[in-house]
Amino acid sequence: GQNIDQPTEMTATEGAIVQINCTYQTSGFNGLFWYQQHAGEAPTFLSYNVLDGLEEKGRFSSFLSRSKGYSYLLLKELQMKDSASYLCAGLFGGYQKVTFGTGTKLQVIP
Amino acid sequence: DSGVTQTPKHLITATGQRVTLRCSPRSGDLSVYWYQQSLDQGLQFLIQYYNGEERAKGNILERFSAQQFPDLHSELNLSSLELGDSALYFCASSVGGTANTGELFFGEGSRLTVL
Repeated sequence: GQNIDQPTEMTATEGAIVQINCTYQTSGFNGLFWYQQHAGEAPTFLSYNVLDGLEEKGRFSSFLSRSKGYSYLLLKELQMKDSASYLCAGLFGGYQKVTFGTGTKLQVIP
Repeated sequence: DSGVTQTPKHLITATGQRVTLRCSPRSGDLSVYWYQQSLDQGLQFLIQYYNGEERAKGNILERFSAQQFPDLHSELNLSSLELGDSALYFCASSVGGTANTGELFFGEGSRLTVL
């Protein structure tokens, strides 16, 4: 299987830093996505990691460890608008099947 | 605008009925994915097509079927509808194949309500 696990909910304070973790089964793994989804809206792409290490993009960074089947999304200088669900998704297999975790609902509080 | 078009945006129907959801992928994308998202739930993978052929299947019910046509648009057919089928149905597309970066571009979804 390609089980993707991430925490269900997190709460963080405006201006702070939050790290959302994701683990996955490594069989057939090709790459790891993070998407942001506001309630009732379509997911929007945040990042894609193929190689080990940290990729930084503005306030958002994503880390991947292929050997450990582990990734995290780091959000800095949190803003109220960052309140959303963050979906970890793995790209698996020769046909590039994309499997999503259940998402982490982040609430940013003043 | 992702370039992926889904119709209808909203649909209300009764139990036992059948509906068809339609998706037009981004220009040039060969892969189409269908996902179901129930209230406060994650995205459940239903099925994937690549250039007209089925490539991967998730937990898609037998009452559901899909296809991708030669012009690459796709349809998801839901029949004998039950209350539990009420959900947001997303279509996504990607380039697909070995050149695929894998990034999915999502449509705005079709919200199905079964009464």
